Amino acid sequence: AQSVSQHNHHVILSEAASLELGCNYSYGGTVNLFWYVQYPGQHLQLLLKYFSGDPLVKGIKGFEAEFIKSKFSFNLRKPSVQWSDTAEYFCAVTGGYQKVTFGTGTKLQVIP
Amino acid sequence: GAVVSQHPSWVICKSGTSVKIECRSLDFQATTMFWYRQFPKQSLMLMATSNEGSKATYEQGVEKDKFLINHASLTLSTLTVTSAHPEDSSFYICSARDGLSYEQYFGPGTRLTVT
Repeated sequence: AQSVSQHNHHVILSEAASLELGCNYSYGGTVNLFWYVQYPGQHLQLLLKYFSGDPLVKGIKGFEAEFIKSKFSFNLRKPSVQWSDTAEYFCAVTGGYQKVTFGTGTKLQVIP
Repeated sequence: GAVVSQHPSWVICKSGTSVKIECRSLDFQATTMFWYRQFPKQSLMLMATSNEGSKATYEQGVEKDKFLINHASLTLSTLTVTSAHPEDSSFYICSARDGLSYEQYFGPGTRLTVT
């Protein structure tokens, strides 16, 4: 069975600080990896995804994530956060049957 | 971009009654739709996967007779919570997978409160 763990439950940063959110997954086969964002009062939106190819994936709004197969990790990064990045971030993985398993989410609060 | 809608966005019902939630893909055909449940301060839990024209596949621990799923067309799936109880109160979210791109799009969710 596939599983996803996000180690940071709540992160507080000042504007312009750098961000890295951890995500580790467990699955024995080929995986597709995703980061979703849920802004306050809104529904989930896709930030970026990795299917194959370059392990460094660039998404919307300046976010990027790096797939490190040997570490089973897919950490999300942004060099300089803004107040508008305040949201909850979910890492997700799909395995062989294409059902999506979500991590528990990380709440990011950016202080102006 | 692709849009998925859910109706209603919020519903209150009495214990013992049934509630139907609709999930529609507005501008694409969804061969597969997923139903999730999200508890407060927790992640999304997949309840079932439905493919158009066939029976839904339920996750372990999800009662198929209680949570009836129908995916009658490529743009509509419904979740009916039968004989609702207060413990069924939750936030139900659907997603639809585009049959061409395999991208998955999420609906805004439905808040169910059972009194």
